[in-house]
Amino acid sequence: DIQMTQSPSSLSASVGDRVTITCRASQSVSSYLIWYQQKPGKAPKLLIYAASSLQSGVPSRFSGSGSGTDFTLTISSLQPEDFATYYCQQSYSTPTWTFGQGTKVEIK
Amino acid sequence: EEQLVESGGGLVQPGGSLRLSCAASGFTFSSYWMYWVRQAPGKGLVWVSRINGDESSTSYADSVKGRFTISRDSAKNTLFLQMNSLRAEDTAVYYCARVAVTGEGAFDIWGQGTMVTVSS
Repeated sequence: DIQMTQSPSSLSASVGDRVTITCRASQSVSSYLIWYQQKPGKAPKLLIYAASSLQSGVPSRFSGSGSGTDFTLTISSLQPEDFATYYCQQSYSTPTWTFGQGTKVEIK
Repeated sequence: EEQLVESGGGLVQPGGSLRLSCAASGFTFSSYWMYWVRQAPGKGLVWVSRINGDESSTSYADSVKGRFTISRDSAKNTLFLQMNSLRAEDTAVYYCARVAVTGEGAFDIWGQGTMVTVSS
């Protein structure tokens, strides 16, 4: 199975900060990389697909980049509603799609 | 509104069975691959099983193979997960999720989740 490793596991940031989360795959996943946001007690919400395509309705302060094994999710100006846990997922290796362990973004 | 609503979770003893349901509305259910994804308490997301639109193709994670069965009833717009021989390690919130048609394997619609607790 392809292993997905996110860093950091958690971070503290302030409203207005630029935040970057990294996701590394154990082998190339091309651009088959997706990002989700999950708030406590809620289902994940799709943010980014195909590494850099913004899902409809998602604010433009979210962006994704990368290909192959290294990817980043960037929040350009952190807002109060962005405090959550973020997961990456690869969809290259069908059917065994795997997720990263998550990155929790907390209020500083 | 496109929506998925799970039901059927609960407390079950080790070795027991449960059947989860996921009712779809607001979209053409039979056109989509559907997945079950679970999340153990305080842990990350793990895919469990998947099924294509006409039920001709199914897959399972190694951890549930031989114990869980995925199915769907397109007439009733409902996805199912039959879980047998349950173990403590199956304790999790179970989500059904739709694979986006254009999204390179992204799950664009998720249910609210249903909790399964396996304990004596």
